[in-house]
Amino acid sequence: QSALTQPASVSGSPGQSITISCAGTSSDVGGYNFVSWYRQNPGKAPKLIIYDVTRRPSGVSDRFSGSKSGDTASLTISGLQAEDEADYYCSSHRNSRNLGVFGTGTKVTVL
Amino acid sequence: EVQLLESGGGLVQPGGSLRLSCVASGLTFSTNAMGWVRQAPGKGLEWVSSISDSDGRTYYEDSVKGRFTISRDSSKNTLSLQMSSLRAEDTAVYYCVKPHCGATSCSRVDYWGQGTLVTVSS
Repeated sequence: QSALTQPASVSGSPGQSITISCAGTSSDVGGYNFVSWYRQNPGKAPKLIIYDVTRRPSGVSDRFSGSKSGDTASLTISGLQAEDEADYYCSSHRNSRNLGVFGTGTKVTVL
Repeated sequence: EVQLLESGGGLVQPGGSLRLSCVASGLTFSTNAMGWVRQAPGKGLEWVSSISDSDGRTYYEDSVKGRFTISRDSSKNTLSLQMSSLRAEDTAVYYCVKPHCGATSCSRVDYWGQGTLVTVSS
């Protein structure tokens, strides 16, 4: 499976906002509003934080927001906190596949 | 609260077999699709397989087709993954997941287990 493309790392200072991109094609990110985002703390299982491009599951902080433009989706974390240090993965439905595809993952560092 | 508890991981030689199990609670198991996602050490996430809720339709990643078999036992709220002809590249943490599936595909994962490590090595 060809993964969606994310930057390897993104960093920011406490209180700042950062944005993680997730680049795909018209066969996945661009063609469907089925983009999800996951946060994975070290040694832990991933957790769903955004689904259907912009929706937040119950209990997820409103500091996390999602968007999409063309074939690229984005996750924005506002008011960055030390606890936001983690790996973040996007995923999407892809045409002609029965299983979704994940992004390459982005390590977020809080300076 | 949805809980997914995996078991069955361990060390296995190349060419060997292993069976993973996942016991689900906090959801109506029989009416939910289920699946497996893996993560090789230091690497990203990869779908392995999923199984539908109603008709038992199964999907597999190309790299495991013909070697892995997913199944479910709704009487025991248990999901299984039978893995055979294991290769070094199958070494990973295997997560039991509750995905959100459409008519013909699963992409979003709503819930994850804590994972079980499978190591394929001689």
